[in-house]
Amino acid sequence: GAVVSQHPSWVICKSGTSVKIECRSLDFQATTMFWYRQFPKQSLMLMATSNEGSKATYEQGVEKDKFLINHASLTLSTLTVTSAHPEDSSFYICSVKQGAGNQPQHFGDGTRLSIL
Amino acid sequence: DQQVKQNSPSLSVQEGRISILNCDYTNSMFDYFLWYKKYPAEGPTFLISISSIKDKNEDGRFTVFLNKSAKHLSLHIVPSQPGDSAVYFCAAPRSNYKLTFGKGTLLTVNP
Repeated sequence: GAVVSQHPSWVICKSGTSVKIECRSLDFQATTMFWYRQFPKQSLMLMATSNEGSKATYEQGVEKDKFLINHASLTLSTLTVTSAHPEDSSFYICSVKQGAGNQPQHFGDGTRLSIL
Repeated sequence: DQQVKQNSPSLSVQEGRISILNCDYTNSMFDYFLWYKKYPAEGPTFLISISSIKDKNEDGRFTVFLNKSAKHLSLHIVPSQPGDSAVYFCAAPRSNYKLTFGKGTLLTVNP
């Protein structure tokens, strides 16, 4: 069964709208979750690391004020794309790493964001 | 800097034959590697991993080989099935388990 649940799966909205994406860890508590973005025919690129109870850490070139991350509980992280514009249209995916040390990350099914 | 490279954007194989997907890396600090399978509009699904202390890991039809001296790993699928058709990503974690992905290889298994 699914380990990570991501919602919504598809969002279409007007430019200037803020969009919230939820990522839930279903099977275990996750102090750390990761947010990735994938443009068409490109690889997955890490955007930020979501840390439960503390601030997210962002990768170089990712605007923290544009992509707000909240990790208020051990099973839920949210990514809010603020004042979205067409160039923010992408496939956003979250992941959770199970356990300590080198373990696989399990991914949600992603959110297709289309900004008109 | 593309630290994980998949130089073949696509591969086509006949059902029942072996599929070999390749991946090269540049960062000698990588000590763990993963392969993911991804269908369109879905998140990646974990397939198999290998630690740098090993040179082979097998799970059913999937085998991953690691050649540390060449900084090269490969995923073998045998026998290939039409349901294996997907994009395959090679990945490695850097600091704090942040995954770096290759660009992916689209595998098509023809019936």
